[in-house]
Amino acid sequence: DQQVKQNSPSLSVQEGRISILNCDYTNSMFDYFLWYKKYPAEGPTFLISISSIKDKNEDGRFTVFLNKSAKHLSLHIVPSQPGDSAVYFCAASRTGAGNMLTFGGGTRLMVKP
Amino acid sequence: EPEVTQTPSHQVTQMGQEVILRCVPISNHLYFYWYRQILGQKVEFLVSFYNNEISEKSEIFDDQFSVERPDGSNFTLKIRSTKLEDSAMYFCASSEQAPVGEQFFGPGTRLTVL
Repeated sequence: DQQVKQNSPSLSVQEGRISILNCDYTNSMFDYFLWYKKYPAEGPTFLISISSIKDKNEDGRFTVFLNKSAKHLSLHIVPSQPGDSAVYFCAASRTGAGNMLTFGGGTRLMVKP
Repeated sequence: EPEVTQTPSHQVTQMGQEVILRCVPISNHLYFYWYRQILGQKVEFLVSFYNNEISEKSEIFDDQFSVERPDGSNFTLKIRSTKLEDSAMYFCASSEQAPVGEQFFGPGTRLTVL
């Protein structure tokens, strides 16, 4: 089941630069999207979310963009910091499905000092 | 800051044994979930729970699995007869609202079935 895909398993960026993490989905019924960050041996930590009625949501250094026609979302982190190094998961849900989250496979972000 | 807690952090069991994984969701949250992540694979939804009932469950959540909210604070996942393929990290999560909303995850329980 590949309803949510993150095609880049890893990404390396320099401190201070922009990190762009991408996510694609196939189920047009998804209407809510979330990004989580995960460190080893910890649970996913919620970062930012976006409803399908919007195309952008911003929270501090984090911005999520949603392109419904392309079934694509991205997370921008500006400026990137070494502490941002973690695995980032996108997740999607749809109304009426018990708030079930469908996760992508994750992208490991490494921010170099 | 309120957080979801899980116990134990690591559980080792023999195949065929019953295990109970425990979670304390955030206190004002009404919706509860279990997910699992097999090593090297995606985080997968198991079950959602609201008002003492299962709201949704995945194909993984078969008759060997059950959930319960035995009191006002705990939320448990029971696996009746563990199999080798049940070895995974199990994450509990809770949310304040539905049908959509941010879910907050616990640190996980690593289940190892020998």
